Amino acid sequence: EAEVAQSPRYKITEKSQAVAFWCDPISGHATLYWYRQILGQGPELLVQFQDESVVDDSQLPKDRFSAERLKGVDSTLKIQPAELGDSAMYLCASSLGQEPYYNEQFFGPGTRLTVL
Amino acid sequence: GDSVTQMEGPVTLSEEAFLTINCTYTATGYPSLFWYVQYPGEGLQLLLKATKADDKGSNKGFEATYRKETTSFHLEKGSVQVSDSAVYFCALDDYKLSFGAGTTVTVRA
Repeated sequence: EAEVAQSPRYKITEKSQAVAFWCDPISGHATLYWYRQILGQGPELLVQFQDESVVDDSQLPKDRFSAERLKGVDSTLKIQPAELGDSAMYLCASSLGQEPYYNEQFFGPGTRLTVL
Repeated sequence: GDSVTQMEGPVTLSEEAFLTINCTYTATGYPSLFWYVQYPGEGLQLLLKATKADDKGSNKGFEATYRKETTSFHLEKGSVQVSDSAVYFCALDDYKLSFGAGTTVTVRA
């Protein structure tokens, strides 16, 4: 069964360091999402890609966060410099992206980030 | 903006008990509604969905009915099992997925 892959699963870093997370969506899925899930809260969308283009990054803290999906397949989310408040689960999801119909999002296992 | 409010947890039940998790929403349009489940150490999985008023979503013994008049989408299961222990998220999709805070459910044998 096709799955969304994410790595690493866990990351511990010190504040002011740079971190990067990788996501490989389900093959053929045009839309890719990055979410942040703070402990005890629901996921919040950080950025959405349609192929290689950013569709929505309104909640992405652009002074320290960046995301790319250069070839419209896998994606990298980077934080530089990391702050204590960035400790959270970072989830990647993908969907077929066939407008205008509903497209189910499939989630990866997430990367648990701890900033010390 | 669109938002989802769901019952706070944690909820602890005995096996075979009845489970209800309340969920209400605020939306300007006509969103689709979802319940996602997150098992320990895993990502979110879609549990069930409803795309219009009066639709009933069901899966694995769980049910939820889209009630436009009360703006609700309560999740129910008649007889829970230990394997149902997880965090449950209510969500709406009005061009973007918005999640509730999640309800942690623990089922004791």
